[in-house]
Amino acid sequence: TQLLEQSPQFLSIQEGENLTVYCNSSSVFSSLQWYRQEPGEGPVLLVTVVTGGEVKKLKRLTFQFGDARKDSSLHITAAQPGDTGLYLCAGAFLYSGGGADGLTFGKGTHLIIQP
Amino acid sequence: KAGVTQTPRYLIKTRGQQVTLSCSPISGHRSVSWYQQTPGQGLQFLFEYFSETQRNKGNFPGRFSGRQFSNSRSEMNVSTLELGDSALYLCASTFTEGRGLGGGYTFGSGTRLTVV
Repeated sequence: TQLLEQSPQFLSIQEGENLTVYCNSSSVFSSLQWYRQEPGEGPVLLVTVVTGGEVKKLKRLTFQFGDARKDSSLHITAAQPGDTGLYLCAGAFLYSGGGADGLTFGKGTHLIIQP
Repeated sequence: KAGVTQTPRYLIKTRGQQVTLSCSPISGHRSVSWYQQTPGQGLQFLFEYFSETQRNKGNFPGRFSGRQFSNSRSEMNVSTLELGDSALYLCASTFTEGRGLGGGYTFGSGTRLTVV
């Protein structure tokens, strides 16, 4: 069973501050995805990273996949109230024989940006 | 284009009953996955279907089952409901066969199931 540890679990900061959310595992993932979920809705895909060391930017959000493909981080610059939500990392794991499980999700980071 | 549609949005059932949830994927998507989301456990993988075949199954009891039709629409069934089955059930679709090949998933808004 592959596990993803996500931290912090809760984060409340002021508008304009920077923050980083971490996602760690002891397993190697074939790809890692970040989602954002708002109350009463399903998660919405933000980004997928596949290559170790890969960095992707989405406006004020920067996503990084660890060199060993066991960890990832999400950095938000100059956070805004509209960034408030539940951020989830999800890893996809491929077995050497070609089999696969579904996505393994971290438990999420509840982010609140106060105006 | 239309997103992933899940019906119903809300459902209240009594312990011991059974329930069927429906998911219509994005047009052209052939892979459908189901997840259970609870405050304590987060999102947990139930099963994944591709071209009417179950490809993967999570660690859930046999009371949880699903199927996929030729038009890619999927249903999941939970029999002999327990209080602990209360959760948000999410369906996600993707074009590829899934299997961690890097394709992102599009989720529906979910079905909120409450077992009393």
